[in-house]
Amino acid sequence: DTAVSQTPKYLVTQMGNDKSIKCEQNLGHDTMYWYKQDSKKFLKIMFSYNNKELIINETVPNRFSPKSPDKAHLNLHINSLELGDSAVYFCASSHTGGSNTEAFFGQGTRLTVV
Amino acid sequence: EDQVTQSPEALRLQEGESSSLNCSYTVSGLRGLFWYRQDPGKGPEFLFTLYSAGEEKEKERLKATLTKKESFLHITAPKPEDSATYLCAVQGFTNAGKSTFGDGTTLTVKP
Repeated sequence: DTAVSQTPKYLVTQMGNDKSIKCEQNLGHDTMYWYKQDSKKFLKIMFSYNNKELIINETVPNRFSPKSPDKAHLNLHINSLELGDSAVYFCASSHTGGSNTEAFFGQGTRLTVV
Repeated sequence: EDQVTQSPEALRLQEGESSSLNCSYTVSGLRGLFWYRQDPGKGPEFLFTLYSAGEEKEKERLKATLTKKESFLHITAPKPEDSATYLCAVQGFTNAGKSTFGDGTTLTVKP
């Protein structure tokens, strides 16, 4: 019954590898996001998709590529992983119209690059 | 650019000792200000949305208030289970649903 689910929860990988994180939401929301939370707990938005269309693309290295096959899914692919990519990555979803635009977050994926 | 500053960074309270967390913000046209709670190892959990100055919302021991420049999260007679990091975020009308978060306040309530 999880509203926003992302997999895997933990990911340990070597520098230079390519990895993907998957996210699915069953809330019927039209917008999905990827956030990065660093060691100081600061949450920063990376990407946002509305109805499968990219609408927010913050200053993120182009090694990060989001893909939204449909409204309920937003995956994050990372090429050539670097030590600095280690962080917790959160997927979230929300409505963007109307009054209820709060985001619902997944449990996070803790990525450790060694 | 939207900005959110939360204070204090950390707050330690005794059980039953009421206090407030502050969230100062700048945004071009506030669409909504959000409060979230984040427990260790979990994603942020939505608490409140405030839309206009003067608005207040309550949930159990928590009460959120909003002015044109800041929001307060008042915690009345906290319990140890209220220990968490509390995050504030703002959305502007011009930012396509993007939420800008503050650094959070980590609250610890001792029994």
